[in-house]
Amino acid sequence: GAVVSQHPSWVICKSGTSVKIECRSLDFQATTMFWYRQFPKQSLMLMATSNEGSKATYEQGVEKDKFLINHASLTLSTLTVTSAHPEDSSFYICSARVRRDTQETQYFGPGTRLLVL
Amino acid sequence: GQNIDQPTEMTATEGAIVQINCTYQTSGFNGLFWYQQHAGEAPTFLSYNVLDGLEEKGRFSSFLSRSKGYSYLLLKELQMKDSASYLCAPSSIRDSWGKLQFGAGTQVVVTP
Repeated sequence: GAVVSQHPSWVICKSGTSVKIECRSLDFQATTMFWYRQFPKQSLMLMATSNEGSKATYEQGVEKDKFLINHASLTLSTLTVTSAHPEDSSFYICSARVRRDTQETQYFGPGTRLLVL
Repeated sequence: GQNIDQPTEMTATEGAIVQINCTYQTSGFNGLFWYQQHAGEAPTFLSYNVLDGLEEKGRFSSFLSRSKGYSYLLLKELQMKDSASYLCAPSSIRDSWGKLQFGAGTQVVVTP
């Protein structure tokens, strides 16, 4: 299947700092990527949809000024958690949408664990 | 909006078969995904059904009935490594970007 990478895989930072997470599609172009967040023992929660060359669309309840998303190229989307606080500690996962003929799939990156102290 | 319902947990022994049911209510239904997620890891794609019927992929099969809003994932010849959470995710044509909303997942525990 298609490969999606995320960097970094682990981040520990102090409260008030900003953290940038990168999501790359390695062997295909992804016009649409998605950002999810998952707290321990909970389900994946969609945060936003990232489209190349346009503004991201955020889910209800997700602060767009706090979670900045940039999809500057067909292979890269970034999520910046601004002024991170301990409650932002979570597992952040991106996915990329792949459409081939009538088949559609989303492939997930390996995730980024964020711990805010 | 979508309502997704799947059992919270299922336990089975190695070599057995387990069937994970998922019911959904999705406006503009356009197919259903199944993903596997091991603890601490990101989800892995298992299957995508858009037409009614059974799709078989090795030990895993997925079934869809669009008229009933029902799908199941069948895991055969269970192995210990199959212990994971299995996520049902319907998609909707109402969302042109193809975003998915995930159910809470079914935790499958495989015992020796």
